[in-house]
Amino acid sequence: NAGVTQTPKFQVLKTGQSMTLQCAQDMNHNSMYWYRQDPGMGLRLIYYSASEGTTDKGEVPNGYNVSRLNKREFSLRLESAAPSQTSVYFCASKAGGPYEQYFGPGTRLTVT
Amino acid sequence: GQQLNQSPQSMFIQEGEDVSMNCTSSSIFNTWLWYKQDPGEGPVLLIALYKAGELTSNGRLTAQFGITRKDSFLNISASIPSDVGIYFCAGQLTGSGTYKYIFGTGTRLKVLA
Repeated sequence: NAGVTQTPKFQVLKTGQSMTLQCAQDMNHNSMYWYRQDPGMGLRLIYYSASEGTTDKGEVPNGYNVSRLNKREFSLRLESAAPSQTSVYFCASKAGGPYEQYFGPGTRLTVT
Repeated sequence: GQQLNQSPQSMFIQEGEDVSMNCTSSSIFNTWLWYKQDPGEGPVLLIALYKAGELTSNGRLTAQFGITRKDSFLNISASIPSDVGIYFCAGQLTGSGTYKYIFGTGTRLKVLA
């Protein structure tokens, strides 16, 4: 099993450009999450999907949109990138219930 | 946004020493997770705790779910150079039906050989 995979691993964007970060999990998990990690800070939740067909805002959703394409895939879209969105983005998944989250390797995004 | 208070923020220790770190909050949690993150990688789950007072080990790592349900502790015994990294705690609030987790700001560990 690959676990949680993310693409791309690195990306550089110019201000105003758009892009989609892809995430897939092969653990048959119900819930999927998108976090951002900035220096000196913990992981902050952007959006999550408790189950296929549902999405909800997290702590820092502004400037982002998500799509739960199917049970395996959860994408994060930046419609008009801003320098404040320079960060490392992590996708995570979890089985139903109060269980552990498993993380992908991250996407390092720089917006100039 | 709400975050856990994790301490210490960083620590330098000699190889072979024991390490202790903790997370505290004013809120009650029903699950605690501990992760380790290596440079350029995603967080890797070390230990999961589900009951107040629970003490769980994973090799040289031991974690405890505080009896008040507002804190958790992680100990690493006989540290080795590969223990270097950032350790994060994560707590799931009670009543959080969607099972969202709140993360601490991390403890950066450096081991001196």
